[in-house]
Amino acid sequence: SQQGEEDPQALSIQEGENATMNCSYKTSINNLQWYRQNSGRGLVHLILIRSNEREKHSGRLRVTLDTSKKSSSLLITASRAADTASYFCATDQTGANNLFFGTGTRLTVIP
Amino acid sequence: EAGVAQSPRYKIIEKRQSVAFWCNPISGHATLYWYQQILGQGPKLLIQFQNNGVVDDSQLPKDRFSAERLKGVDSTLKIQPAKLEDSAVYLCASSTLGWEENTGELFFGEGSRLTVL
Repeated sequence: SQQGEEDPQALSIQEGENATMNCSYKTSINNLQWYRQNSGRGLVHLILIRSNEREKHSGRLRVTLDTSKKSSSLLITASRAADTASYFCATDQTGANNLFFGTGTRLTVIP
Repeated sequence: EAGVAQSPRYKIIEKRQSVAFWCNPISGHATLYWYQQILGQGPKLLIQFQNNGVVDDSQLPKDRFSAERLKGVDSTLKIQPAKLEDSAVYLCASSTLGWEENTGELFFGEGSRLTVL
């Protein structure tokens, strides 16, 4: 079964605004990853945060991880129309050796 | 560096027919995954290979699905006979890390979209 649950399911914002997506999971993890999927395409890796890390940055992306609450957030700053896509969190569950994907957040950035 | 190649991109079949999908991972990647993604959902793991051995196929419907990775490189996923609920995108991914290591970044292909009528 899928490990992560993203919130919200869909998000619509104006270009230039910030977008925040949340992910909750149920079991202990080695790391948590975020992926982007443009319509009709494969998934592209965005960022990986390990279980002993609390925050990580990559360009306009900021990811936080709270293992006590079993949750993570992805912040995209200064959004662009090209950021329109579905975003998935994926957890590397302890002992599982593969990734479990959430249900995704569909982000629409309006020019 | 070439990415993960998948074919065909699209396939339409009648129920009870068979279909096969092919994947060529990134050169040198030891681990290969097949995921099923139903419209509006996240990818669900079907099978994981480490070189040419199966690491995890616990979620593969073995009565109709089969997969192999000959010589530890290319892989094929077969469905026979197909059901309506098999309509989905079949994604292949590869990784440099071995199954015994924590899962790192996965590199995905563009997927094969299957429609079963």
